[in-house]
Amino acid sequence: QKEVEQNSGPLSVPEGAIASLNCTYSDRGSQSFFWYRQYSGKSPELIMSIYSNGDKEDGRFTAQLNKASQYVSLLIRDSQPSDSATYLCAVNVWQAGTALIFGKGTTLSVSS
Amino acid sequence: GAVVSQHPSRVICKSGTSVKIECRSLDFQATTMFWYRQFPKQSLMLMATSNEGSKATYEQGVEKDKFLINHASLTLSTLTVTSAHPEDSSFYICSARGGGEGDYGYTFGSGTRLTVV
Repeated sequence: QKEVEQNSGPLSVPEGAIASLNCTYSDRGSQSFFWYRQYSGKSPELIMSIYSNGDKEDGRFTAQLNKASQYVSLLIRDSQPSDSATYLCAVNVWQAGTALIFGKGTTLSVSS
Repeated sequence: GAVVSQHPSRVICKSGTSVKIECRSLDFQATTMFWYRQFPKQSLMLMATSNEGSKATYEQGVEKDKFLINHASLTLSTLTVTSAHPEDSSFYICSARGGGEGDYGYTFGSGTRLTVV
């Protein structure tokens, strides 16, 4: 059973703080890793993708990947109330074809 | 960027009827499309994978005769929920994949909220 695990939260941070979201995956054959943000009742929207070990930065967002530990994280700097949403970690499980497998998501709440 | 149009956004139907959901890639050819279902406060669960011109591959536990998927062209995939029951009420989301890898390899539709009464 290929799994993607996330802490469901809620994760609460004050405005301006750093929010740290974590994700682990079970299949060592996974090759592509994605972070999506989903507002209630809406479709997921892509925040970042990462394919290689290390950090990848895009504005206030930094994705970190450690394939040896099967761990991927998302850091949100200077968190804003508009960042309050559910963050979904998704992994491309190659053996299953090209579908993305999603974690259950972490709910982030940023208080002003 | 790539756009996937999904319709309808909301539908209410009576128990026992069928509902069709359309997913169109507007500016790229989608060789593969995926259908997900999401129950409240749950994650997206992959239902099936369809490739243009071939039969869909369903995930374990998904009834292929109940959830009919047709991917007749490179820009259109449809999901038909047949003989719908209240337990089929859910948020259905399609995702399309073009020919290449990268940040825009997966594009999601806006979702369809199905309510069966």
